[in-house]
Amino acid sequence: GAGVSQTPSNKVTEKGKYVELRCDPISGHTALYWYRQSLGQGPEFLIYFQGTGAADDSGLPNDRFFAVRPEGSVSTLKIQRTERGDSAVYLCASSPVVAATGELFFGEGSRLTVL
Amino acid sequence: GQNIDQPTEMTATEGAIVQINCTYQTSGFNGLFWYQQHAGEAPTFLSYNVLDGLEEKGRFSSFLSRSKGYSYLLLKELQMKDSASYLCAVDNTDKLIFGTGTRLQVFP
Repeated sequence: GAGVSQTPSNKVTEKGKYVELRCDPISGHTALYWYRQSLGQGPEFLIYFQGTGAADDSGLPNDRFFAVRPEGSVSTLKIQRTERGDSAVYLCASSPVVAATGELFFGEGSRLTVL
Repeated sequence: GQNIDQPTEMTATEGAIVQINCTYQTSGFNGLFWYQQHAGEAPTFLSYNVLDGLEEKGRFSSFLSRSKGYSYLLLKELQMKDSASYLCAVDNTDKLIFGTGTRLQVFP
């Protein structure tokens, strides 16, 4: 497709379960970002990939969160032992610019609800 | 630390002009972005300022003063479809840091 694709669009899970959220960026975009957005708040930075490597993972809240991008395209955000506080919309964005500055193209997000 | 402040909510009337302010204090600065986000949708790019001054794009304009750590987004000839959240974001050298967003409601 032409835009950033995220799956699933909605995920409901129980406390303590494992969750994977997938992001398929725009073809050719080297930079990929994960953000988390709670209701009424702005997106909160989680992690940023340049190619296959995580260039900055300073926003990951704790070691239950992990993200990979093994082939420099699709990325997966993994959350272990989910907690109710993890409930949010997880947004993925990509950018064609190799170094920092540039417009981000966002996906529609994956809404995670932890019961 | 990183701090980006903008008003939580604003209201305006169709056809009017509204200015949304944003102040920032960040460890790095490579430019400032404004994004629009309709409820339940992805943020979409509106404007980018890296130099001081005003950037105009149709009904929307954005201003930046780096020395004051201040920006505003100006929306003219408001339409009902402009009801959305407006996110101020600072490029902190390798990632965007977002403010909490300003929810704008436009009334007829």
